[in-house]
Amino acid sequence: EVQLVESGGGLEQPGGSLRLSCAASGFTFSNYAMSWVRQAPGKGLEWVSTISGSDDSTYYADSVKGRFTISRDNSKNTLYLQMNSLGAEDTAVYYCAKDILITPVGRFDYWGQGALVTVSS
Amino acid sequence: DIVMTQSPDSLAVSLGERATIKCKSSQSVLYSSNNKNYLAWYQQRPGQPPKLLIYWASTRESGVPDRFSGSGSGTDFTLTISSLQAEDVAVYYCQQYYTTPYSFGQGTKLEIK
Repeated sequence: EVQLVESGGGLEQPGGSLRLSCAASGFTFSNYAMSWVRQAPGKGLEWVSTISGSDDSTYYADSVKGRFTISRDNSKNTLYLQMNSLGAEDTAVYYCAKDILITPVGRFDYWGQGALVTVSS
Repeated sequence: DIVMTQSPDSLAVSLGERATIKCKSSQSVLYSSNNKNYLAWYQQRPGQPPKLLIYWASTRESGVPDRFSGSGSGTDFTLTISSLQAEDVAVYYCQQYYTTPYSFGQGTKLEIK
């Protein structure tokens, strides 16, 4: 059974940093691209970032480019999102999502339960 | 960037009746080399993560009931629930995966009348 479990969320002050993790199980992690998608409270879904299975390609939404870094450790079956220079607009539930191939397709067949990030002073 | 626009924003349908949600993309998501529409539909029940329902605009994901169907091509797409069940109460999102930045519609909230 595919499982994606996010951790690392919490309350952070504006300008601060957080690192989210997503522990994956139930599939061969290195064979799939992975993504982060966020959802602000009461709002819709926003794609944030994607990384290929082999870790050689990364993609970012303009809203986070230069502030967020996606990475993965295939030996630990874990996806990461390093978030720097956080602002109130980054407050959201962050979902880890599995793609369907090793190279990004952008279609997400499994999602984690999400990690809440709140940016407030 | 491709902008996805759904209609309506909310919808109330009686149990057993048909529900129809529209999605329009600001540019075509039909890839000419393989004749596939890079369009997916997701269901998000209250308090839950999204769930993939439909991909390639009309292919049901494994395990999705056949009352869910998708249609359309190019820039105009439709999600139809043929006979609404109580468990279908959710927000539905269309998403294009034709190119980054991947983008979602604003969502359509489906309720029971």
